[in-house]
Amino acid sequence: GQQVMQIPQYQHVQEGEDFTTYCNSSTTLSNIQWYKQRPGGHPVFLIQLVKSGEVKKQKRLTFQFGEAKKNSSLHITATQTTDVGTYFCAVRGSNYQLIWGAGTKLIIKP
Amino acid sequence: SQTIHQWPATLVQPVGSPLSLECTVEGTSNPNLYWYRQAAGRGLQLLFYSVGIGQISSEVPQNLSASRPQDRQFILSSKKLLLSDSGFYLCAWSLTGNNSPLHFGNGTRLTVT
Repeated sequence: GQQVMQIPQYQHVQEGEDFTTYCNSSTTLSNIQWYKQRPGGHPVFLIQLVKSGEVKKQKRLTFQFGEAKKNSSLHITATQTTDVGTYFCAVRGSNYQLIWGAGTKLIIKP
Repeated sequence: SQTIHQWPATLVQPVGSPLSLECTVEGTSNPNLYWYRQAAGRGLQLLFYSVGIGQISSEVPQNLSASRPQDRQFILSSKKLLLSDSGFYLCAWSLTGNNSPLHFGNGTRLTVT
């Protein structure tokens, strides 16, 4: 079945450094969604990308969809403690349900 | 606006006991409803989804079942819990349509002892 690979599994950064997580698929995607889950919380929808080469920004977060619609990235500039959590990508599978990436956990070094 | 309620927030149950988790959605009609499970530090596993009253699709065979007795009510049940059923259970809803994002409840943290 369709899978989406998300890397890295963890990323440790100093506060103020940048963070990036990547999702890759072997097949062309119709769209990709990004979610954030704070520690102990539930996933919260951040954004959806639909168009080839699309770039969307939410304050310090930049989301990109590859030209071939097979990969996507989420980049956070100058991380803050409020950014801590796990970031998931999710794509539509053949039965229209979401297929989730494994998530990338953002950890701020003390 | 739409809201989703899920309860209880935490639950400790002995092995072999029954389970009933309830989820209700307000402010929308005929939503798609989902039950997910998340093991500690892991990703999301889809357990069940429903596109309408009485319509349940199961993604993973297990000792859990789901029911949708009303349009905006989704129930997750088990007759006898196993230790492996411990985890974080999340209910979610979405509008119908391929591009609709999921909106999650606050989750139930289940510990089976």
